[in-house]
Amino acid sequence: GAVVSQHPSRVICKSGTSVKIECRSLDFQATTMFWYRQFPKQSLMLMATSNEGSKATYEQGVEKDKFLINHASLTLSTLTVTSAHPEDSSFYICSAPSLVSHEQYFGPGTRLTVT
Amino acid sequence: LAKTTQPISMDSYEGQEVNITCSHNNIATNDYITWYQQFPSQGPRFIIQGYKTKVTNEVASLFIPADRKSSTLSLPRVSLSDTAVYYCLVALGSGNTGKLIFGQGTTLQVKP
Repeated sequence: GAVVSQHPSRVICKSGTSVKIECRSLDFQATTMFWYRQFPKQSLMLMATSNEGSKATYEQGVEKDKFLINHASLTLSTLTVTSAHPEDSSFYICSAPSLVSHEQYFGPGTRLTVT
Repeated sequence: LAKTTQPISMDSYEGQEVNITCSHNNIATNDYITWYQQFPSQGPRFIIQGYKTKVTNEVASLFIPADRKSSTLSLPRVSLSDTAVYYCLVALGSGNTGKLIFGQGTTLQVKP
């Protein structure tokens, strides 16, 4: 089946620095990808829709200047957490919709810890 | 996007059949019902999807009544490795934006 990868799988950074997370569709093209955030013991929260060749669409309450999304190709979307703070520590997951069904393919997630 | 309601948690024992029901009263005509499984520190994994009646695959069955306002995920003979969070989602069919809004999910604990 289709696979979505994320890199890195886990990252630790200092407060105030920026961190980039990559999401790749490995064997299919994805004009749209989605970014989610998940805090411990909670559900996934949709952050934004990444659109290839155009600006991302952010969900209400998500700061677009803090969570920069770039979808430069049909197989890669990146999420950059700028000026990270400890409260940004979370599990970040991306997904891409199937081209042939209504299924979403999810990446394995990236654990971000800000110290 | 249709809101879904599921039990927060369920307990079962190995070898039993588990049925998790999800309510989605505001489901639209074009919406499909999809169930995902998530293990700790992993991305969700697709289990099954349906539009109406019954769908069965190698891991589960999905029962959808005629009014489609609810659905039931059935896991036959669960094992300890089925301990996970199960999410019921409703999303648009035709013209699918792919946008999914996750509810709280059901935490299934399978005991030996």
